[in-house]
Amino acid sequence: AQSVTQLGSHVSVSEGALVLLRCNYSSSVPPYLFWYVQYPNQGLQLLLKYTTGATLVKGINGFEAEFKKSETSFHLTKPSAHMSDAAEYFCAVRTFYNQGGKLIFGQGTELSVKP
Amino acid sequence: AAGVIQSPRHLIKEKRETATLKCYPIPRHDTVYWYQQGPGQDPQFLISFYEKMQSDKGSIPDRFSAQQFSDYHSELNMSSLELGDSALYFCASSLSTSRPAAFFGQGTRLTVV
Repeated sequence: AQSVTQLGSHVSVSEGALVLLRCNYSSSVPPYLFWYVQYPNQGLQLLLKYTTGATLVKGINGFEAEFKKSETSFHLTKPSAHMSDAAEYFCAVRTFYNQGGKLIFGQGTELSVKP
Repeated sequence: AAGVIQSPRHLIKEKRETATLKCYPIPRHDTVYWYQQGPGQDPQFLISFYEKMQSDKGSIPDRFSAQQFSDYHSELNMSSLELGDSALYFCASSLSTSRPAAFFGQGTRLTVV
């Protein structure tokens, strides 16, 4: 069975500082991994995804994540935080289709950006 | 580009009433997923459909049922509503075989009073 753990329910950074949101996964098979962002009272927007191939994945809004199999991690980073990045971020792993293909989410990390 | 459409966006119901939530997937997507997100919680998987057949089932109460229709839209029917059913309900769609990503709708916020 797959699972996702996000370390830190709240992360606060200053505007212009590095953003690092941690995600570790558990999967007995090669995973498909995702990061979603959720603004208040909004839906889940796909930031980026890893399926196969290049382990450094670039997404929207300047975010990127690196799949590290040896560390079972898929941490999300952004070199310079912007006030508009303040939101809830969810890491997710997708089960394979013969297991239903559903997404399993981590607990979420709320990112605050201080001026 | 067309996205996943959910209706209604907001719904207020009284306890023991019935609610129906609708989801219109991205065109050509054949798989629909329903999730429930309680206040301050991560989305929890309820149920999914592939080609109009239920493909997986999660923590969906027996009071809830869902189906996918011939045009691939899906409806989540919720009966005997309880206060604890108040949540944001998301629908997501994907192309089951070719694109391993799920695209989410804006959600329906259900408030049970």
